[in-house]
Amino acid sequence: QKEVEQNSGPLSVPEGAIASLNCTYSDRGSQSFFWYRQYSGKSPELIMSIYSNGDQEDGRFTAQLNKASQYVSLLIRDSQPSDSATYLCAAPPEGGYNKLIFGAGTRLAVHP
Amino acid sequence: DGGITQSPKYLFRKEGQNVTLSCEQNLNHDAMYWYRQDPGQGLRLIYYSQIVNDFQKGDIAEGYSVSREKKESFPLTVTSAQKNPTAFYLCASSMTASFGNQPQHFGDGTRLSIL
Repeated sequence: QKEVEQNSGPLSVPEGAIASLNCTYSDRGSQSFFWYRQYSGKSPELIMSIYSNGDQEDGRFTAQLNKASQYVSLLIRDSQPSDSATYLCAAPPEGGYNKLIFGAGTRLAVHP
Repeated sequence: DGGITQSPKYLFRKEGQNVTLSCEQNLNHDAMYWYRQDPGQGLRLIYYSQIVNDFQKGDIAEGYSVSREKKESFPLTVTSAQKNPTAFYLCASSMTASFGNQPQHFGDGTRLSIL
């Protein structure tokens, strides 16, 4: 069983809409979660970190964590074509500190 | 400017050849990581190091070797034993924490191909 799972997509949304990206993880003890954006041919870039239940907002991005359901999501408000990329969710593996397991990523396409 | 520098950006390997990918960071991070990414796939951990002179195998260490002689540097050697080396190689670093995890920050990557 994969420890971090994401829908591969593609998720297609119109410009200006809210894009919702989801991630589930297997380790109930995980304390920290990260969202990365990866443009085609480029390296991943950290966009959000979340460490506690609830919402964490940064500009147009909101990360939501629900530890009881082992579920973390990323909302992108007012989606722009420049948001088109693959979004990777990352969480620590069971019992593993200073390591991260990356999901395979969800490809987002924002069309004008 | 603080960051992670990977070189070269593109690398070609001949049959039976070992090649070394460079990774240097000036973020004063303790931990460093090497990942491999195949087209359309996620990141797979090759090796990681949490402190100088110590490193651990990741999920796909066979055919690779590393060293960590300095805090700033974590070179990866792709040996001739790695039969399918064509991939995008990513180096990352993070601060260590006594509990929980810190985010990892990535270099720009090296694309390795077989000649």
